[in-house]
Amino acid sequence: EAGVTQSPTHLIKTRGQQATLRCSPISGHTSVYWYQQALGLGLQFLLWYDEGEERNRGNFPPRFSGRQFPNYSSELNVNALELEDSALYLCASSPEIAGGDEQFFGPGTRLTVL
Amino acid sequence: AQSVTQLGSHVSVSEGALVLLRCNYSSSVPPYLFWYVQYPNQGLQLLLKYTTGATLVKGINGFEAEFKKSETSFHLTKPSAHMSDAAEYFCAVSEWSASKIIFGSGTRLSIRP
Repeated sequence: EAGVTQSPTHLIKTRGQQATLRCSPISGHTSVYWYQQALGLGLQFLLWYDEGEERNRGNFPPRFSGRQFPNYSSELNVNALELEDSALYLCASSPEIAGGDEQFFGPGTRLTVL
Repeated sequence: AQSVTQLGSHVSVSEGALVLLRCNYSSSVPPYLFWYVQYPNQGLQLLLKYTTGATLVKGINGFEAEFKKSETSFHLTKPSAHMSDAAEYFCAVSEWSASKIIFGSGTRLSIRP
């Protein structure tokens, strides 16, 4: 069974540009989560999508947005990039909305903002 | 509100020694607790989880953790460290109705030869 996949592996942008990160969940999983892992800041919850709807978002500005497609894959968009947006962005999926279910993580997209 | 505190951002042990990574949580309802491991340049992998039932949970790679409600703790242990255990370890908590997982700040485990 294929795991969570993310693309691209690395992304280099300059300040003010937009970045688009993609995630494909494990087959059968309907929930997708996005996390930011910046140096020294640990894992910060960004967004949670389930059945095409945004269910929850973390404490991030509106320039962080995303969507979930009918096939449950997801996109994270970061507009007006700032230097501090440089981080590893992790996507995770889980089979349903329920606490106690583990989240399965992808390998991440490393975003570098110059 | 839920929160997780991992004591010690960096732990170093000798190969063959006991590994103990500390985690304390805060939750207003019975929690679900997780330990994840992250190897360099990789995503997170679940080591073990506690939902209900037996408070001593065994995970992969010889790790185990014990849920202690009275101490609000979920410490991770391994009797004998191996060089391949060097990684970042994250403790996490979630609630049934919340689904969102809150992660601790992580503990980097180093193994000395």
